[in-house]
Amino acid sequence: IAGITQAPTSQILAAGRRMTLRCTQDMRHNAMYWYRQDLGLGLRLIHYSNTAGTTGKGEVPDGYSVSRANTDDFPLTLASAVPSQTSVYFCASSDSSKGTEAFFGQGTRLTVV
Amino acid sequence: DAKTTQPPSMDCAEGRAANLPCNHSTISGNEYVYWYRQIHSQGPQYIIHGLKNNETNEMASLIITEDRKSSTLILPHATLRDTAVYYCIVRSLMVSGSARQLTFGSGTQLTVLP
Repeated sequence: IAGITQAPTSQILAAGRRMTLRCTQDMRHNAMYWYRQDLGLGLRLIHYSNTAGTTGKGEVPDGYSVSRANTDDFPLTLASAVPSQTSVYFCASSDSSKGTEAFFGQGTRLTVV
Repeated sequence: DAKTTQPPSMDCAEGRAANLPCNHSTISGNEYVYWYRQIHSQGPQYIIHGLKNNETNEMASLIITEDRKSSTLILPHATLRDTAVYYCIVRSLMVSGSARQLTFGSGTQLTVLP
């Protein structure tokens, strides 16, 4: 089934450790996004990418980095995790030329202790 | 992107129509109204979007007022599985080469009661 896949589903991480959240889509969408969602808050954009080779900062980019080496993959890296990065992370993709809906992954629940 | 206002919560009896309102009084002419929902612990799911005409698909209907300052999402026969947070989002289409991210507000928690 075509769609967007995130890995891992959940992770407990020691503070100070490095972590990469993986996101892969097979819909050939040009645009991809990373959001975080915290209890009581809506989804907040971390980083986005218009197309392979380009990335941009969203609303809450500090402490995170992304890369877009190809169309399908958009990994999110926490270089040195802190407890405030405990959250549920959602990856999404869309075809920006059509302006249609964005498809979301099922999320990665990250706990930094 | 225009700001939206939604009630924080609503209840609906199973089998009845659920009507979820959204105010977007500052919407501009090139901005669309999108609706997404998020079932507990899952990723957001697209429902429907429209510009100025009413829209219908297999999931829901979208009614946009003539002045486009408000809209209503209608789930015609709500089921227990429709219990979710519903987000109304207003944004313009992608400008060429520029991804336009979705800005999520707090949404409406719809609870479908048996």
